[in-house]
Amino acid sequence: QSVLTQAPSASGTPGQRVTISCSGSDSNIGSDAVNWFQQRPGMAPKLLIYSNTQRPSGVPDRFSGSRSGTSASLAITGLQSEDEATYYCAAWDDRLNGGVFGGGTKLTVL
Amino acid sequence: QVRLVESGGGVVQPGTSLRLSCAASGFTFSNYDIHWVRQAPGKGLEWVALISYDGNIKHYVDSVKGRFTVSRDNSKNTLYLQMNSLRPEDTGVYYCAKRGEWEKLEIDSWGQGTLVTVSS
Repeated sequence: QSVLTQAPSASGTPGQRVTISCSGSDSNIGSDAVNWFQQRPGMAPKLLIYSNTQRPSGVPDRFSGSRSGTSASLAITGLQSEDEATYYCAAWDDRLNGGVFGGGTKLTVL
Repeated sequence: QVRLVESGGGVVQPGTSLRLSCAASGFTFSNYDIHWVRQAPGKGLEWVALISYDGNIKHYVDSVKGRFTVSRDNSKNTLYLQMNSLRPEDTGVYYCAKRGEWEKLEIDSWGQGTLVTVSS
């Protein structure tokens, strides 16, 4: 059972907009920034969003992040087949004094 | 460019020890905190440990406290994870990962991972 809660799966068709949610608590998302990672099968994860809303250089602006209270969301617009991957949220937990990840959401592009 | 290369994984029996290494290049290693993150086969990511840039501050997930020790040698640009009293549930791919400029879990570079299998 992960500290951060994500739906196990999501899907969309090419060109569509999809949203992936991440729910936490006051000790993690409520007090620390959320980061999002993309992991394709057999590959290391890749940073997509940091500080709730910021995109590293090279990440397309089709990807955006938001945070409200103890929840966060990753939105992907103009869905492409290459977006098929598992997406993880992560944050520091002040109560655990350690990092926590969501269980991951596997995105399927139909 | 940033490069992180893990080594030291393998198949070991429960109760034994293993030391992982992570060789870093392409950035000023001594300026950055570094994480260990693991992934059990077919499962999600699990944060394991964080060591500060100077090695003075260390954090661990509860399940490895007292068994795992993270350390670094900034003169060799190398990170280590000493794993003792290994359990089957420690099985997985272990990634070393560089913290970014802003957030603790802003991990902007990852190694390719090294597989640890704990089995009798």
